[in-house]
Formats: sequence, C-alpha cells, structure tokens
Amino acid sequence: EVQLVQSGAEVRKPGDSLRISCEVSGNTFPSYWVAWVRQMPGRGLEWMGIIYPADSDTRYSPSFQGHVTISADKSINTAYLQWSSLKASDTAIYYCARHRTQYSISSPPDLWGQGTLVTVSS
Amino acid sequence: EIVMTQSPATLSVSPGERVTLSCRASESVTTNLAWYQQKPGQAPRLLIYHASTRATGIPARFSGRGSGTEFTLTISRLQSEDFAVYYCQHYNNWTPFTFGQGTKVEIK
Repeated sequence: EVQLVQSGAEVRKPGDSLRISCEVSGNTFPSYWVAWVRQMPGRGLEWMGIIYPADSDTRYSPSFQGHVTISADKSINTAYLQWSSLKASDTAIYYCARHRTQYSISSPPDLWGQGTLVTVSS
Repeated sequence: EIVMTQSPATLSVSPGERVTLSCRASESVTTNLAWYQQKPGQAPRLLIYHASTRATGIPARFSGRGSGTEFTLTISRLQSEDFAVYYCQHYNNWTPFTFGQGTKVEIK
C-alpha cells in the first residue's frame, strides 16, 4: 500500500526559511505527479502547485509563484515545499497529494499525506 | 485561472435525507472534475473523479453528475459519518487545478 508521510509540525519566526517534506512509499514515485495544497486555519483548500519527479517538471499556481519552491528527490522518493522568507500569513496546514494516474497530470490526487502544520509567529 | 463556485455554503440536513451539492466552473472543464470529503482534523478524501466515477471504497450512496461547467454531488441517504465539508476541484489542462470554496453539510 502506497503511503505519503509528511514531516512534523514546525514553528518559525517571520523571515525564517523552511523546507517540509513528503515521502512516498513504493518504487513508482518518479512517475506520478505530486501536488501541494494549503489550508489556512478554518479555511478551504488552495492548490499551490505540482511536480513530476521523473524530470522535475513543476507548475505553480499564480497565487504562490515566487513565494514557494517545490522540488523532489527521486532517489529518496521525497517531495519538498520550501520558503526562503516566511510570513505570518503562511501559517497553515500543508498537504502533499499524489495524483491518481501514472504519468498523467490530468487526474485528481487520490492519496494524501497527513498534513504538516506550519506556524509562523514572532 | 478557472474559478470553481460551490453552493450552498452550508447545508443543514437530517440523517436519512437526500442532499445535492452544486459546483460551477467559470469555463468548461469537460468531465475533469473531482469531489472530496474532508472531516475535521483529517486530510481530504477523494470521493468522485471524472465527474461521476466513484473512487475505490466509496459507498454507492455517493453519486456525481455533470459536464462542462455544471456539476452535482448527491448523497442519497445521509448517514452520520457523512457530515463533513465537501470540495469540488477541476483538473483540466493545468490552468491551475483550483478548488471550490467548499460546502459544509451539518446536522439539522
């Protein structure tokens, strides 16, 4: 059974950098698109971007372009979401999710990580 | 960017009732539309994809319909475990893959 296991909760100050991770079990990691989704406290789901680990093809939502970086290391089956300068408004739960269909971007995510809570406060 | 609009924002219903949730896309997404259920403290769970196909393990009381810009999710007989927030999301031709704002189904 494929599982997505995310790194633990983080507390940072504004201006800090941070990288959170999402490890995908199994040996098919490179050939499935992996997405990152934000959920601010008490709010809905927001699509941040996706990556295809086989070639690191990465797409961003315009709302997040330039503020976060999505990457992947296929040698260790892990996707990453990172910030170079956090803001208080980045406080949220961040989910990684694997798309349903191998090789295809046009499929929905059907496997989700447990979420990583990021708290940014001075 | 395609805007996904869900209605209503909140539905107050009794167990056993039939409920229909709506999702509208600002432009056609053909049938590249998914529905998710999210309960407090949990990650979203995929219910429906391709507008009408139930995901693995999803009970038959959940059904989806629609194409183009208009979609519905129907729960035929609401059970206690179905009280949650439901989101639609398109995945048509990376534009990006936006979510609706969600519909909360609460106990009446």
